[in-house]
Amino acid sequence: EIVLTQSPATLSLSPGERATLSCRASQSVDSYLAWYQQKPGQAPRLLIYDTSNRATDIPVRFSGSGSGTDFTLTISSLEPEDFAVYYCQSRSTWPPLFTFGPGTKVDFK
Amino acid sequence: QVQLVESGGGVVQPGGSLRLSCLVSGFSFSTYTMHWVRQAPGKGLEWVAVISHDGSDKYYGDSVKGRFTISRDNPKNTLYLHINSLSAEDTAIYYCARGGIAVTVNLFDYWGQGTLVTVSS
Repeated sequence: EIVLTQSPATLSLSPGERATLSCRASQSVDSYLAWYQQKPGQAPRLLIYDTSNRATDIPVRFSGSGSGTDFTLTISSLEPEDFAVYYCQSRSTWPPLFTFGPGTKVDFK
Repeated sequence: QVQLVESGGGVVQPGGSLRLSCLVSGFSFSTYTMHWVRQAPGKGLEWVAVISHDGSDKYYGDSVKGRFTISRDNPKNTLYLHINSLSAEDTAIYYCARGGIAVTVNLFDYWGQGTLVTVSS
């Protein structure tokens, strides 16, 4: 079973600042790492898949990097609508069992 | 446009059962794997189950294995989750989400708005 750990739990920043969110896997997941954004009362939204591919209509200020066990989501310059909870997600090789990290909350400083 | 609409949630007593549905539109349902993901109040996301495009392969999270059954009716564009032996720990919003063409594809690219299941006596 893959266990994902995210840090920090909370990131307090101001609009315009750069946000760097980390996700660590308990074992290698190759490049099978996705990131989701969730705002209060809403369903999650896919931001990044396969480590670094932006999903449809996702702004270029969102980028993903990493490989193996260590991954990063970067928001280059925070917009007011980016304050939310972010989850990383991956799966085991076989059987395909999926897992989410505990989340990082990006809130206003 | 792609739409996923869950239904079937509600208040159920401990030990009870429920069937959740997810009606989809805007894409070829029979081409894609589908998932259920849940979120307990104030908590994070927990993957529940996945079903292959034709229903032949199904996989479950450890916490629901043996109690939950995922199924689909492709002509009706509908995904189901049968949940049995409910306990308070199953109280959550249940989301359906679209996966990839194969069960191994690691993404959930479209989500429904969720349906709330509350287990309470």
